[in-house]
Amino acid sequence: DIQMTQSPSTLSASVGDRVTITCRASQSISSWLAWYQQKPGKAPKLLIYKASSLESGVPSRFSGSGSGTEFTLTISSLQPDDFATYYCQQYNTYSTFGQGTKVAMK
Amino acid sequence: EVQLVESGGGLVKPGGSLRLSCAASGFTFSSYSMNWVRQAPGKGLEWVSSITSSSRYTYYADSVKGRFTISRDNAKNSLYLQMNSLRAEDTAVYYCARGPIGELDYWGQGTLVTVSS
Repeated sequence: DIQMTQSPSTLSASVGDRVTITCRASQSISSWLAWYQQKPGKAPKLLIYKASSLESGVPSRFSGSGSGTEFTLTISSLQPDDFATYYCQQYNTYSTFGQGTKVAMK
Repeated sequence: EVQLVESGGGLVKPGGSLRLSCAASGFTFSSYSMNWVRQAPGKGLEWVSSITSSSRYTYYADSVKGRFTISRDNAKNSLYLQMNSLRAEDTAVYYCARGPIGELDYWGQGTLVTVSS
């Protein structure tokens, strides 16, 4: 099974900050990686697919990069609506999610 | 507007069975693969199962293989998850989501399954 490890688990940031979340795969997954945002009590929302493709309607302050085993999600300027939990998901071999990264207000 | 509405959750005893449904609207259901993803209370997301558009292929997480069965009825625009031999660790909110195994672009609001005696 492919394991996905996100870091950090929690991140404290302020509005306007540049935020970076890392996701590491236990083996190469090429670019078969997606990122999701989830707010409490809500379903996840797709942000990025194929490691760096922005889902339609998602603000351009979100970007993804990486391939192989190391990936990043970057929020260029954190907005009030961005405080949430973020998950990476590999889909090279079936699917596995990372454990999540909570972006909290500093 | 794409809508996915899950139903069928509830309280069930260990070893029991439950069938979840997901009613789809606002898109051509028969053209899309569909998935079930679950989230235990206070925990992260876990992919459970996927089915291709024509039901030709189904896929399962190891944690549910042999106990859960995914199916669909394209005439009724509906997705199902038959869950047997339920365990306490199956307690979670179950979401249906559109897409191939990755790139899940629309999700339902979820239905809570609680396995407890």
